[in-house]
Amino acid sequence: GAGVSQTPSNKVTEKGKYVELRCDPISGHTALYWYRQSLGQGPEFLIYFQGTGAADDSGLPNDRFFAVRPEGSVSTLKIQRTERGDSAVYLCASSLGSWTANEQFFGPGTRLTVL
Amino acid sequence: AQSVTQLGSHVSVSEGALVLLRCNYSSSVPPYLFWYVQYPNQGLQLLLKYTTGATLVKGINGFEAEFKKSETSFHLTKPSAHMSDAAEYFCAVSDSYNNDMRFGAGTRLTVKP
Repeated sequence: GAGVSQTPSNKVTEKGKYVELRCDPISGHTALYWYRQSLGQGPEFLIYFQGTGAADDSGLPNDRFFAVRPEGSVSTLKIQRTERGDSAVYLCASSLGSWTANEQFFGPGTRLTVL
Repeated sequence: AQSVTQLGSHVSVSEGALVLLRCNYSSSVPPYLFWYVQYPNQGLQLLLKYTTGATLVKGINGFEAEFKKSETSFHLTKPSAHMSDAAEYFCAVSDSYNNDMRFGAGTRLTVKP
């Protein structure tokens, strides 16, 4: 079956622009996570969805970052007024159910470069 | 707050040698512990996890890890390294009270012929 997919695989933008990153989770997975991975670091938690609602957005760094999952499947991470420090690989993961020990299946990531 | 420390950002072993990747965690509640592997240009893949019960956990590709509460450690081992084991390895911690998973900075494993 299909795994988690993310589009685009690469995104180059200019400082101050708005970007949207998309995540298609595994069909039937109710939990969806966004992470950010900077060079030489492990993934950093951003936000967690259970179904359509953001159950935990404590990892979003500031109000320029926002994510939605309107139908409980595809999710979009939105970044306004991008800054050079936003450059990183953005990872999406999905899992079955809400138990935090469930295996998370990761997508290949979107590499965001802010010039 | 939970956290993970991976000792050694780079580890190099010869093919056939023992692999030991170190992970220490900090958690105020019983932890769930994970090892993920990331091959070049691929997504992270779960190797193994500890939730409760038996403290020695076996995973895919011959890897195993032992949860040692007294040492707050969850080191990853493999008796005999293969060239195909070369990758980045991440230790992570979560628990039943928090939705976020905290990852270590990763250890890059190189396997020499």
